[in-house]
Amino acid sequence: GAGVSQSPSNKVTEKGKDVELRCDPISGHTALYWYRQRLGQGLEFLIYFQGNSAPDKSGLPSDRFSAERTGESVSTLTIQRTQQEDSAVYLCASSLEGTRKETQYFGPGTRLLVL
Amino acid sequence: QKEVEQDPGPLSVPEGAIVSLNCTYSNSAFQYFMWYRQYSRKGPELLMYTYSSGNKEDGRFTAQVDKSSKYISLFIRDSQPSDSATYLCAMTRTGGFKTIFGAGTRLFVKA
Repeated sequence: GAGVSQSPSNKVTEKGKDVELRCDPISGHTALYWYRQRLGQGLEFLIYFQGNSAPDKSGLPSDRFSAERTGESVSTLTIQRTQQEDSAVYLCASSLEGTRKETQYFGPGTRLLVL
Repeated sequence: QKEVEQDPGPLSVPEGAIVSLNCTYSNSAFQYFMWYRQYSRKGPELLMYTYSSGNKEDGRFTAQVDKSSKYISLFIRDSQPSDSATYLCAMTRTGGFKTIFGAGTRLFVKA
């Protein structure tokens, strides 16, 4: 079956512009996660959705970052007024119910470069 | 101090070698421990999952958790060139949903 998909796969933008990143989770997965991975570093948790509610937004680095999810499907991560420090790979993952014992299935990521 | 420490490597070994990858952590509340493998330009994929202390084996892979030392390991036996990837440790607290990842260790297995 189809895995987690993300679009665009690559995004180059100018400092100060807004960007929108999209994640399509595996069908039927209620939990959805966003992570940021800077070059040579591990994954940094950003936000977790259970259905369309976000019980944990603690990882969002600033108020320039926001995310929403429509029902139990697509999610968008929006970065306003992008900065060069936002350059990273943004990874999305989904799991069936969001319990700790579940496997998170990752998408291939969106590579964001802010010039 | 980071919650999870992992040597980024790179680690280079000959084919057939036994590989040992390790992470240390500082928060004793972590109860669920995972190892992910990430190939270049791909998302991570779960390799091993363990709960609390102990060992778990799956084919050529063995995961160990020593909670008293706050130390986890992944062993790869008979390493293959196809094992060349970045290996990330990850862990989750009891009562939490946030997964904390290590920085990842880059492994190269030479044929």
